[in-house]
Amino acid sequence: VIWMTQSPSLLSASTGDRVTISCRMSQGISSYLAWYQQKPGKAPELLIYAASTLQSGVPSRFSGSGSGTDFTLTISCLQSEDFATYYCQQYYSFPPSFGGGTKVEIK
Amino acid sequence: QITLKESGPTLVKPTQTLTLTCTFSGFSLSTSGVGVGWIRQPPGKALEWLALIYWDDDKRYSPSLKSRLTITKDTSKNQVVLTMTNMDPVDTATYYCAHRPDLYYFDYWGQGTLVTVSS
Repeated sequence: VIWMTQSPSLLSASTGDRVTISCRMSQGISSYLAWYQQKPGKAPELLIYAASTLQSGVPSRFSGSGSGTDFTLTISCLQSEDFATYYCQQYYSFPPSFGGGTKVEIK
Repeated sequence: QITLKESGPTLVKPTQTLTLTCTFSGFSLSTSGVGVGWIRQPPGKALEWLALIYWDDDKRYSPSLKSRLTITKDTSKNQVVLTMTNMDPVDTATYYCAHRPDLYYFDYWGQGTLVTVSS
């Protein structure tokens, strides 16, 4: 089982800020990592897969980086619609697993 | 356009069996490489992957829940069914089905269905 540490669990930010969310693995997973955004009462939406590939239709202010054990989701210029909870997911090792989530709230 | 929608009971009693149906459109589960998975989320908590079925009827289950889960598909109806036996209040969660384009990540999700386990 791969353990995932997602940080921070809560992030307070303002519109226009650059924000970064970290996801650290207990062992290397190459680039088999996805990021999702979830708004209250809604299903998660895929933002990024293969650590850095932007899903079709996702704004370019979202970007992902990293490989091995350390990964980052960056929102370059936070918009009002970006206040949500973000989850990382590894799919290198069975069973696939999700991080604990990072809630991005209005400062 | 790919869409998925979950259906099933909103309330089950402890020890009962839960049966959820995922009805999808925009893809075929007979197409090589395609899969449909189930993921759940207890209120206020993180996501947990449960099971996945492939186009060739291969199946994968969460090791911690494997003894309680069964996933099946009906390709002609574009449906995937998940059953979970011996339900407990800790199984209270929103259950999602999702489309797997490759490996084990998910690009399209259903809206989810909240299942409460209570007597």
